[in-house]
Amino acid sequence: QFVLTQPPSVSAAPGQKVTISCSGSSSNIGNSHVSWYQQLPGTAPKLLIYENDKRPSGIPDRFSGSKSGTSATLGITGLQTGDEADYYCETWENSLSAAVFGGGTKLTVL
Amino acid sequence: QLQLQESGPGLVKPSETLSLTCTVSGGSISSSTYFWGWIRQPPGKGLEWIATINYSGRTYYSPSLKSRVTISVDTPKNQFSLKLSSVTASDTAVYYCARQSSGSGSYLDYWGQGTLVTVSS
Repeated sequence: QFVLTQPPSVSAAPGQKVTISCSGSSSNIGNSHVSWYQQLPGTAPKLLIYENDKRPSGIPDRFSGSKSGTSATLGITGLQTGDEADYYCETWENSLSAAVFGGGTKLTVL
Repeated sequence: QLQLQESGPGLVKPSETLSLTCTVSGGSISSSTYFWGWIRQPPGKGLEWIATINYSGRTYYSPSLKSRVTISVDTPKNQFSLKLSSVTASDTAVYYCARQSSGSGSYLDYWGQGTLVTVSS
């Protein structure tokens, strides 16, 4: 059981758009920034979005992040087969003074 | 370009202590802007944050692991380390080290490649 709730899987066709949700509470997402990570098979996670909606250098603008209240959303447009990966949200849980991850969402590009 | 590299035994016996070191290159571990953390991933499962430390030794631990975990930093060597005691098979995982931002939110922007640690007799 994870503090942050993500759908286990999402899928869409190449070229389409997909969104992945991350639901938390007032003690985590409600009071902290959210980050998102992409983990391709067999590799280390890679930072996609930080501070809710910022993209690190080198991350294409097909990837976007937003936050509202106690939920956050990752959006991916123009889906490519290379986007097939696991995606994780993460934030700081103030009540625990600890970082917490969502359970991860497997993206399939059909 | 900042790089992190985990090192340590790939096999640990049950009830013993898992010890890993992360060597940071291309940047200083003494930066006041960042913490340095450990994250693990059991085979086929999700990510679990373990602990983080900054250059001055300030630490934060996962509540579920706190009783068994020690994180430390060696600034002259630009390294930080993880010790997990009394391991069981459920501690089998890929262990990653990463740079963690300080402030509101805790993004991890640089990761090591990960090292698989198997707990087995």
